[in-house]
Amino acid sequence: EVQLVESGGGLVKPGGALKLSCVASGISFNSAWMSWVRQAPGKGLEWVGRIKRISDGGTTDYATPVKGRFTISRDDSKNIVYLQMNSLKTEDTAVYYCTTDGRVPLWGQGTLVTVSS
Amino acid sequence: QSVLTQPPSTSGTPGQRVTVSCSGSSSNIGTNDIYWYQQVPGTAPKLLIYRNIQRPSGVPDRFSGSKSGTSASLVISGLRSEDEADYYCAAWDDSLSGWEFGGGTKVTVL
Repeated sequence: EVQLVESGGGLVKPGGALKLSCVASGISFNSAWMSWVRQAPGKGLEWVGRIKRISDGGTTDYATPVKGRFTISRDDSKNIVYLQMNSLKTEDTAVYYCTTDGRVPLWGQGTLVTVSS
Repeated sequence: QSVLTQPPSTSGTPGQRVTVSCSGSSSNIGTNDIYWYQQVPGTAPKLLIYRNIQRPSGVPDRFSGSKSGTSASLVISGLRSEDEADYYCAAWDDSLSGWEFGGGTKVTVL
């Protein structure tokens, strides 16, 4: 089955850290560019960042609000993309989705991250 | 404020034709493909249109997309009650080096 499954969300205090995972199945993961998109409660969609496939350098791009705090990485041997989130702020509270950056984007179901004291 | 501009809401009666617009610039819609998503509250976004006009398998043909210059539109022909949802446009922005989403349009079926 073609799917993306996110995990790792939860409650964390401001200033804390959290690492999200997204496992891909049914796709050629090592050929995929992968993105993370988030959605704050009651708000619209916001792109977080992306990682290119290794054959394209495996480089990353980030949205301004998370640059320097968030890091995207990938493990093609496990078909997993990660989102390491450090120095979390209350405004990072959102559902985080992983997506493929391909011709026909595929989305996961999302994982909720709540940043609160 | 979103780089891609959508009307906050629109509505129609069952069977009507509804259009959702998305306005951008030369660095996003003017240069790159537009994508459209449907999101029912509490669920993940669902891809409706990719590469401006293409429909993924399983998406009814009453959903159609178009693009002209720096603007794009999603048309729902023959509106149905199950089409009540939020709709988002998206495009890569070359200047910002990132994906940009519209603010979303809530479609209400009266």
